[in-house]
Amino acid sequence: DQQVKQNSPSLSVQEGRISILNCDYTNSMFDYFLWYKKYPAEGPTFLISISSIKDKNEDGRFTVFLNKSAKHLSLHIVPSQPGDSAVYFCAAYFGNEKLTFGTGTRLTIIP
Amino acid sequence: NAGVTQTPKFQVLKTGQSMTLQCAQDMNHEYMSWYRQDPGMGLRLIHYSVGAGITDQGEVPNGYNVSRSTTEDFPLRLLSAAPSQTSVYFCASNTGTDIIGAFFGQGTRLTVV
Repeated sequence: DQQVKQNSPSLSVQEGRISILNCDYTNSMFDYFLWYKKYPAEGPTFLISISSIKDKNEDGRFTVFLNKSAKHLSLHIVPSQPGDSAVYFCAAYFGNEKLTFGTGTRLTIIP
Repeated sequence: NAGVTQTPKFQVLKTGQSMTLQCAQDMNHEYMSWYRQDPGMGLRLIHYSVGAGITDQGEVPNGYNVSRSTTEDFPLRLLSAAPSQTSVYFCASNTGTDIIGAFFGQGTRLTVV
C-alpha cells in the first residue's frame, strides 16, 4: 500500500518557467511533509518541508503547498534553472521516527 | 563535518554470500535508518533505530539484519545475498525532533549475481 504517491514519473520544463511537482498521500496522521532532491550517484538532500498545520511554506524559489482536505501537496519552483534538473521525492513523517517516500519525479529543465 | 558516511560505494556479491554495509554518522543523531532505492519504487525503509540498542523493522526487512551498539554506527547485514537484493542502499540519520528531515549518505550500489 503506497501511502505517498507521485503519479508523474517525469516532467520537462523550460528554463525560467514554473515547475510544479505533485504528491498525494493517504495517511491523514502524517505530521510533516518534506521534499528531497536527488542527483545521480548522490544521496537525497533535504529541500523544503511543511507542517501539517500549515498550508504554505516558502524558501527562495521553492514553495510547498499543502491541501489537507485533498491529501495533496505540491512543490513549485520558480523560476526553474538547469541546476534544478534532478529527481524529486516527496516524503512524510509520522511520529518523527521514519520517513515514507513517494516514488519520485524526474525533473528536466530545458535550456 | 563528515555527516553520514557509507562504505563501500560499490559491491558485487555472488548469490548466497554475506556482507555488511557500513554506516556511520558524526552528528550525534539518535535516529538512523536504512533504505533501498529501486526503479519505480522510490525509497523503501528496511530497518530503523531510534537509539543505541533499539532497532525496528521497516517496510521491507526480510533478508536483512541490523544492530545499533553505538549512537554513531548502524551496520546493515545481508546474511545470504539474493539477486532481489540488487539495489542502491542509503543510510540516513536525524534527530527526530527537527523538521528539516534526515541526512543521507551517498549510497552503496549493490549487485548480486
